[in-house]
Amino acid sequence: GAGVSQSPSNKVTEKGKDVELRCDPISGHTALYWYRQSLGQGLEFLIYFQGNSAPDKSGLPSDRFSAERTGGSVSTLTIQRTQQEDSAVYLCATATGYLTNEKLFFGSGTQLSVL
Amino acid sequence: GQQLNQSPQSMFIQEGEDVSMNCTSSSIFNTWLWYKQDPGEGPVLLIALYKAGELTSNGRLTAQFGITRKDSFLNISASIPSDVGIYFCAGQGNSGGSNYKLTFGKGTLLTVNP
Repeated sequence: GAGVSQSPSNKVTEKGKDVELRCDPISGHTALYWYRQSLGQGLEFLIYFQGNSAPDKSGLPSDRFSAERTGGSVSTLTIQRTQQEDSAVYLCATATGYLTNEKLFFGSGTQLSVL
Repeated sequence: GQQLNQSPQSMFIQEGEDVSMNCTSSSIFNTWLWYKQDPGEGPVLLIALYKAGELTSNGRLTAQFGITRKDSFLNISASIPSDVGIYFCAGQGNSGGSNYKLTFGKGTLLTVNP
């Protein structure tokens, strides 16, 4: 498709289980971000990938969170041993290159519910 | 992480009314951005501001980059039902952060009564 694609759109899991969220960026976009949106909150930065550079992981809230970007394209965000406070919308956004936040394109997000 | 102070948290207005929302920060930003998020969708950029004092319009939307670089407002004139959604301000590139990161406000939920 033409836009940023995220899957699944909704995920319900039990506390303690691992989940994997996927983001397919717009073709050719080298910058990829993961943000978390909790109910009534703004978007919280999690991680940033740019080309082949080392990712900026400074926003990951704990070591249960990790993310990969294979071949500079598809990215997966993994949450291990999920907790109820992990429930949120996880948004992926991509851009064409450096310092182009004004042209960030967001996916529709994955709504994660941890029971 | 750092967040912007965005107000009001929510607004309920009649169709045709004008609305105004604003964001303030204790830090200076080089760019201010305003996004709109429809239910079940990701945010979409409405307006980007690059210079202190800049006033920019996009249709019925007008936004300004505060002269101190620590605040911005968004006005919507003659609201229509499709203006319903959550509006976020975002700052980019402050002295203590990285240029590629956006700091978001908590959003303003706008409801328009037809």
